[in-house]
Amino acid sequence: AQSVTQLGSHVSVSEGALVLLRCNYSSSVPPYLFWYVQYPNQGLQLLLKYTSAATLVKGINGFEAEFKKSETSFHLTKPSAHMSDAAEYFCAVSDRSSGNTGKLIFGQGTTLQVKP
Amino acid sequence: GAGVSQSPRYKVTKRGQDVALRCDPISGHVSLYWYRQALGQGPEFLTYFNYEAQQDKSGLPNDRFSAERPEGSISTLTIQRTEQRDSAMYRCASTSNMNTEAFFGQGTRLTVV
Repeated sequence: AQSVTQLGSHVSVSEGALVLLRCNYSSSVPPYLFWYVQYPNQGLQLLLKYTSAATLVKGINGFEAEFKKSETSFHLTKPSAHMSDAAEYFCAVSDRSSGNTGKLIFGQGTTLQVKP
Repeated sequence: GAGVSQSPRYKVTKRGQDVALRCDPISGHVSLYWYRQALGQGPEFLTYFNYEAQQDKSGLPNDRFSAERPEGSISTLTIQRTEQRDSAMYRCASTSNMNTEAFFGQGTRLTVV
């Protein structure tokens, strides 16, 4: 069975500092991998996804993530945090064999706080 | 519509009552998904439809939960005889086909008192 673990339920960074949100997955075969962001009172929005191409994936708002098969990780990074990045971030996986990118297994989420 | 629309946004109900939550997906989207999100947790899959056919209901926690999508567009998630443990955010998502991005609605916050 697939699972997702996000290390750290809360991360706090200063504005302009590096953002690193950690995600590890468990799966018998490499899954599709996603990062979603949830702003207050809004729905989940896709930041980026890894399907089968380059292992370094660039997303919206300056975020990127690198798929590392040997570490079963898909950590999310941004070089310089902005106040508007404060939100809750979810890592998710879906089953590659089914191709069903809507049936997702989510991690428990990481709340990012950005301090001025 | 422009995005996935869910109604109501908030629902407070008394224990034992039935509730119906509505999801209006993006126009033309083939697949529709229901998720439940407890406080402090990530969303958990409940069920999904391709057109009007319910393809997978493995995530429905018990037989008090049911869903339908009779015309392949709007879907209703029904919870019968609600219990306090049913309190959560219920989210709906849709995709244009199997290999595309899932778009999520704002969710319905259900509180059972």
